[in-house]
Amino acid sequence: DIVVTQSPDSLAVSLGERATINCKSSQSVFSSSHNKNNLAWYQQRPGQPPKLLIYWASTRESGVPDRFSGSGSGTDFTLTISSLQAEDVAVYYCQQYYSTPQYIFGQGTKLEIK
Amino acid sequence: QVQLQESGPGLVKPSGTLSLTCAVSGDSISSSNWWSWVRQPPGKALEWIGEIYHSGSTNYNPSLKSRVTISVDKSNNHFSLKLTSVTAADTAVYYCARTPQRASVHDYWGQGTLVTVSS
Repeated sequence: DIVVTQSPDSLAVSLGERATINCKSSQSVFSSSHNKNNLAWYQQRPGQPPKLLIYWASTRESGVPDRFSGSGSGTDFTLTISSLQAEDVAVYYCQQYYSTPQYIFGQGTKLEIK
Repeated sequence: QVQLQESGPGLVKPSGTLSLTCAVSGDSISSSNWWSWVRQPPGKALEWIGEIYHSGSTNYNPSLKSRVTISVDKSNNHFSLKLTSVTAADTAVYYCARTPQRASVHDYWGQGTLVTVSS
């Protein structure tokens, strides 16, 4: 089974500064049939359901602010928030969907304001 | 606007069966999407439970497969989850979600419902 590990488990960033969250898969999630990486990012604010931010590793979901970006390929991926806003306080999850129908989430990264 | 709403008992006794329903509005459950259940134990990460297509085809998390049944009711535009032989470890917020045709992600989620397993 593919294991997905995020780092760090938590981080604190000042408002307006850059936040970076990493996600590492135990196996490549690159799909040659789609020529894309099967990796998504979600944001979960306190008391709310998860919200899809990024899929195919770097495609922003409709309506997601452009300060959110995804990068990486194969086994190593990054979610970057270019300028942290107060409403970005949340737990962020990566998810691989290469081994569908077995969807696997990372353990989550808690993002706070410094 | 697609909306999903979970409903069902908030308390289930150990060894009993957890039963939840997800009502879908703004989309037909017979569209080219899959429909999923995901759970989250208090303070823990997300865990995918399983999914169903309107044809009745299902996929389940291998770790739960022996206890899970997901079904679809096309006439009422909803789908359901049954989890048998529950223990305290099954206490969680249960979410239903849509998996769109464009990618195997979850783009619309219900608000979630907390199910506690306790006597």
